[in-house]
Amino acid sequence: AQSVTQLDSHVSVSEGTPVLLRCNYSSSYSPSLFWYVQHPNKGLQLLLKYTSAATLVKGINGFEAEFKKSETSFHLTKPSAHMSDAAEYFCSRGSQGNLIFGKGTKLSVKP
Amino acid sequence: DAGVIQSPRHEVTEMGQEVTLRCKPISGHDYLFWYRQTMMRGLELLIYFNNNVPIDDSGMPEDRFSAKMPNASFSTLKIQPSEPRDSAVYFCASSPSREASFGSGTRLTVV
Repeated sequence: AQSVTQLDSHVSVSEGTPVLLRCNYSSSYSPSLFWYVQHPNKGLQLLLKYTSAATLVKGINGFEAEFKKSETSFHLTKPSAHMSDAAEYFCSRGSQGNLIFGKGTKLSVKP
Repeated sequence: DAGVIQSPRHEVTEMGQEVTLRCKPISGHDYLFWYRQTMMRGLELLIYFNNNVPIDDSGMPEDRFSAKMPNASFSTLKIQPSEPRDSAVYFCASSPSREASFGSGTRLTVV
């Protein structure tokens, strides 16, 4: 069965330092991969998506993710964390409507 | 576009009562999903529809849960009878094919 694994349940960084949220997916012939962000008491918002075009995908709020087929990874990064980035982040894969989500990574940003 | 609209935003009910959650997807989206989110289990896919037809309901926890999509612009998730362990945030999402747009969720509390 297809799956998505987020390797860290909680990541804590200081404001202004880089962010790395890790995601691995089970191998598939043509995955569509996504990152979503969920702020407290809100629904999930799409950050960025990979759909077999450029391997480096840029999203909103300065986030980007790189698709690495050899590592079956789709890690989310940001060069400099902001306090407003504190939220929960979900990696997801989708194929013909069947969306599968990872367990989520809670990002804390310290002043 | 108003996005995915869910109602009610909050619901508090007594154990044993029937609960109906409602969702209006984005017009033109062929897929509709119902998710449940709890601290313990994270984001779980309950059921999804394609063109108003249920495709996969393997995530529905038990017979007390049922979902319908009578037309392209409306879906319901019903719990009868409700139990305290059903307390969670229920999200509806819709998608044209891959990435999903989420509603703001219904926070259900069963006492």
